[in-house]
Order: sequence, then C-alpha cells, then structure tokens
Amino acid sequence: GAVVSQHPSRVICKSGTSVKIECRSLDFQATTMFWYRQFPKQSLMLMATSNEGSKATYEQGVEKDKFLINHASLTLSTLTVTSAHPEDSSFYICSAREVAGRETQYFGPGTRLLVL
Amino acid sequence: DAKTTQPPSMDCAEGRAANLPCNHSTISGNEYVYWYRQIHSQGPQYIIHGLKNNETNEMASLIITEDRKSSTLILPHATLRDTAVYYCIVRAPTGANSKLTFGKGITLSVRP
Repeated sequence: GAVVSQHPSRVICKSGTSVKIECRSLDFQATTMFWYRQFPKQSLMLMATSNEGSKATYEQGVEKDKFLINHASLTLSTLTVTSAHPEDSSFYICSAREVAGRETQYFGPGTRLLVL
Repeated sequence: DAKTTQPPSMDCAEGRAANLPCNHSTISGNEYVYWYRQIHSQGPQYIIHGLKNNETNEMASLIITEDRKSSTLILPHATLRDTAVYYCIVRAPTGANSKLTFGKGITLSVRP
C-alpha cells in the first residue's frame, strides 16, 4: 500500500508552547488529507479535513484557531497545536487519500504528544 | 455515512482462520465497506474494501452478503502479529465530504 509518514513520532513540550506535526504522502499525490486524534483506549476521532490549497474543514467541537492546518501541496500537510495544554496530550494521526485510482485512504504512523 | 456494528472482541488460535463479522444494515447503495486494523500504538493499516462483490488480496478476504447488510473479514491463517483492533467502516464514494468515521472496532486476540 501507499506510504504516509509523520514527523516527529513523539514530542514532549511545555504547557503554552506550540507544536507542529508534519504529514507527508511519500509515493502518491493526495488531494485530501485528514487529521485524527486518539485518546487512550478510545477510537480515532476525526478533527479536520483539508484539501490542497484551501482552508480546512473542522469537525464540530474542534477549535480551528487552536489546531492550525496547512495543506500547502499535494504531498504535505501540517498540524500546529497552538498554546498546548496537558489536555491536548494525545496520539495524533494523519491520513491521506489518493488523487486517482480507488481513492483508498492511508494512515501515517501517528505522533505521540505529551504536554507537561 | 451509515454506521456499523461489530462484536467487541473475539479470539482465535494461531494458524486458524479468523472470521470477523460486521453489520451495516443501513448501508446505502453506493457506499463501500472498508476494513482497517490498528496494532497497538500505530496508525491504522488498510486491509481491504469492497462494494458488493467479494474481494481478496494478500492480506485477507472480504465476503459481502447479497443484500449488503453485513460482511465478514477473513484472515485465512491468523498469526500472533494479527492481534489488533479491526475496524469495519462504510464510506460514501468520491467527494470532498467522504470521510472515514471510526467506531469501536473489534479486538482480535490470536492465541498461540
């Protein structure tokens, strides 16, 4: 299957700082990328959907000013958690969908964020 | 998107077939059935998907009933590394608003 990478794989930061997570589709072009969040022992929750070159669409209850998403190219999307707090500690997972073909959605390995 | 119902857990013996059921009684005619799995602390891995015909790939087989209200994912020879949470998801086809919504999935435990 297609490969999606994320960087960093884990990050620890102090409360009040901002953290940027990168998501790249390595061997395909993705018109649409998705960001999910997963708390311990829970399922994945969709945070937002972004299409290349346009503003992201956020799910209900997700603050767009806190979780900044930039989808600047067909292979790169970034999620910035601004002014992070301990309750933002979670497992963040990005996903990318192919432009052509069967439009299967592939997932990155995830980024573990711990806010102290 | 239509919802799915899966048992919370099941187990099987290593080397045997694992048959994972999924109900999706409200599926629409153009919605696909997708299966993903998530091994602990990793991102979900795509397994297989189908519309109405049975599908097979190197990982698994997907059997969809004729009325499309349920499906079964079959891992023909389960190994210990197949222990994971398996998600059955129905999704509308192409379109900007087409997205994967995860339920609780079924936890498969493969025992030695």
